[in-house]
Amino acid sequence: LAKTTQPISMDSYEGQEVNITCSHNNIATNDYITWYQQFPSQGPRFIIQGYKTKVTNEVASLFIPADRKSSTLSLPRVSLSDTAVYYCLVGDIGAGGFKTIFGAGTRLFVKA
Amino acid sequence: NAGVTQTPKFQVLKTGQSMTLQCAQDMNHEYMSWYRQDPGMGLRLIHYSVGAGITDQGEVPNGYNVSRSTTEDFPLRLLSAAPSQTSVYFCASSYSIDRVSYEQYFGPGTRLTVT
Repeated sequence: LAKTTQPISMDSYEGQEVNITCSHNNIATNDYITWYQQFPSQGPRFIIQGYKTKVTNEVASLFIPADRKSSTLSLPRVSLSDTAVYYCLVGDIGAGGFKTIFGAGTRLFVKA
Repeated sequence: NAGVTQTPKFQVLKTGQSMTLQCAQDMNHEYMSWYRQDPGMGLRLIHYSVGAGITDQGEVPNGYNVSRSTTEDFPLRLLSAAPSQTSVYFCASSYSIDRVSYEQYFGPGTRLTVT
């Protein structure tokens, strides 16, 4: 099972772009990369998912290099409400079963 | 839609007691799973189900049982509670297209303390 490594914490200021990188050296061919956000006392919430290259939605972008051994979540113009823990998840649901490994997460603190 | 619901929100057990954590989803998702989250740590997969009648073990299954008799419900049973099972438990559901999974929807969690 592919494990992930992320920075333990990051600080930023409102209005800045934040990039959080996740390493997953043992990612398997069928694995997708998914990022979740978690606020205290709540369940994680889906942010974005990708397989390769770049994916963008209304809240974030996900950059995945060709070797897929890492990925970078980019949050444009963060606000105080983006203070949360961000998890990088590498996993696969398919005929082979259900594999999900949550990393330890990155605690992002956004300051005014 | 209510999404994923979990009951109870809080529970205190004595060592050796058993109980069932309830989880239900109304999105007709085929996949459901249970995680535990210990303080300051990420989520660890306990058990999962890829459809009614089909369950399998995750990363930390010992001490827990599951069943999936319907698409909507996925209860987690603690057989004989131990202090090491003190944690926050999250249930999640997800769908797939062409056998590729998409986002998981998480419930609000159950905070369990075993004394």
